Amino acid sequence: ETGVTQSPTHLIKTRGQQVTLRCSSQSGHNTVSWYQQALGQGPQFIFQYYREEENGRGNFPPRFSGLQFPNYSSELNVNALELDDSALYLCASSLFSSSYNEQFFGPGTRLTVL
Amino acid sequence: DQQVKQNSPSLSVQEGRISILNCDYTNSMFDYFLWYKKYPAEGPTFLISISSIKDKNEDGRFTVFLNKSAKHLSLHIVPSQPGDSAVYFCAASALRNAGNMLTFGGGTRLMVKP
Repeated sequence: ETGVTQSPTHLIKTRGQQVTLRCSSQSGHNTVSWYQQALGQGPQFIFQYYREEENGRGNFPPRFSGLQFPNYSSELNVNALELDDSALYLCASSLFSSSYNEQFFGPGTRLTVL
Repeated sequence: DQQVKQNSPSLSVQEGRISILNCDYTNSMFDYFLWYKKYPAEGPTFLISISSIKDKNEDGRFTVFLNKSAKHLSLHIVPSQPGDSAVYFCAASALRNAGNMLTFGGGTRLMVKP
């Protein structure tokens, strides 16, 4: 069973640039969630994708967008980067259900915005 | 507003003793609670969970207690081992929320001394 993988591991960008982060979900999972973890804080929910559509969104501006592909992998895109976007971005996969299902996290992508 | 709070940023415990990590929440819509453990350079890994219809759930050395009237939960680790040293996150979910989004606390760094 393959776990959740994310790429790249680290990334450095400058203010105003755009970035794309990638996530491959765990085998058998059809739902991907993205979280932002700022230094010293807990992860914050950005959004979730199921059946290639956004299925819930946290308190993040529209410049945070995403995609889910037919193989359930996902991308997180951030436009017009700001210094406060520097954080660890975590992807989590799960199997969609009406009851709660455990989310499995990847190791994250560390984004630094200069 | 922080809906899930972990008021102790760090906790130090001697090996073999009990570790008690605490978590408070404010949103009465939360009906499922989880604890995740995070090592450096890794994503959070699921530890144990509890539904709001229960007040205790046990799994080996780990026990989670839920006090709904106080909106408080705690994680007990007995006996504590040096390998338990990590950051522990409390998380909550409301099954009615689209996407089963997790709301995390800020984390407690547990250090177990040999």
